[in-house]
Amino acid sequence: DADVTQTPRNRITKTGKRIMLECSQTKGHDRMYWYRQDPGLGLRLIYYSFDVKDINKGEISDGYSVSRQAQAKFSLSLESAIPNQTALYFCATSGWSGGTDTQYFGPGTRLTVL
Amino acid sequence: AQKVTQAQTEISVVEKEDVTLDCVYETRDTTYYLFWYKQPPSGELVFLIRRNSFDEQNEISGRYSWNFQKSTSSFNFTITASQVVDSAVYFCALSEGYDKIIFGKGTRLHILP
Repeated sequence: DADVTQTPRNRITKTGKRIMLECSQTKGHDRMYWYRQDPGLGLRLIYYSFDVKDINKGEISDGYSVSRQAQAKFSLSLESAIPNQTALYFCATSGWSGGTDTQYFGPGTRLTVL
Repeated sequence: AQKVTQAQTEISVVEKEDVTLDCVYETRDTTYYLFWYKQPPSGELVFLIRRNSFDEQNEISGRYSWNFQKSTSSFNFTITASQVVDSAVYFCALSEGYDKIIFGKGTRLHILP
């Protein structure tokens, strides 16, 4: 089984709709992240969480919100989607594994806002 | 301000050649972390390495090696004896902790058979 899973993998929605992207991990890591990737821009951090009670804004949090329902789950919401939120979204965890601090990424969610 | 520059937007080499991907960073902090990630054509992201600013030892992992030089603010990545499966976009990134991770724009590497 994958260490980090994301649902849905692909989503097409319309402007103004509320969308939730979900992320689950089996690594037991406290740290979780949401990034978006746009062509030619690399990845940008949206939100991050160091534990269930600790949530922080990243570089581009406007228009997004998150919920850390449990250590293993970290959801990203777009309250009212707009076309420039069309992007590839990655969830990630980080923590100590095998004696080294490592990050694990989910497979990504491709979101299209029409 | 933090900044990561990957000047090579696209590189093509013939299989079995060695290739170096450049990464130059800017930060005012004395404590920071540098990362490399691989994104193959399938789209997933693979974490390759994290290095803290106090550890300038070069790292080797199989055909991969990393050269960290604080004097030139560079963290270059070399693939030795490249293989077609190394074809991917490679990202360098910088952070002062685990927040505010700043990514470079990536280098697209083509390994030609």
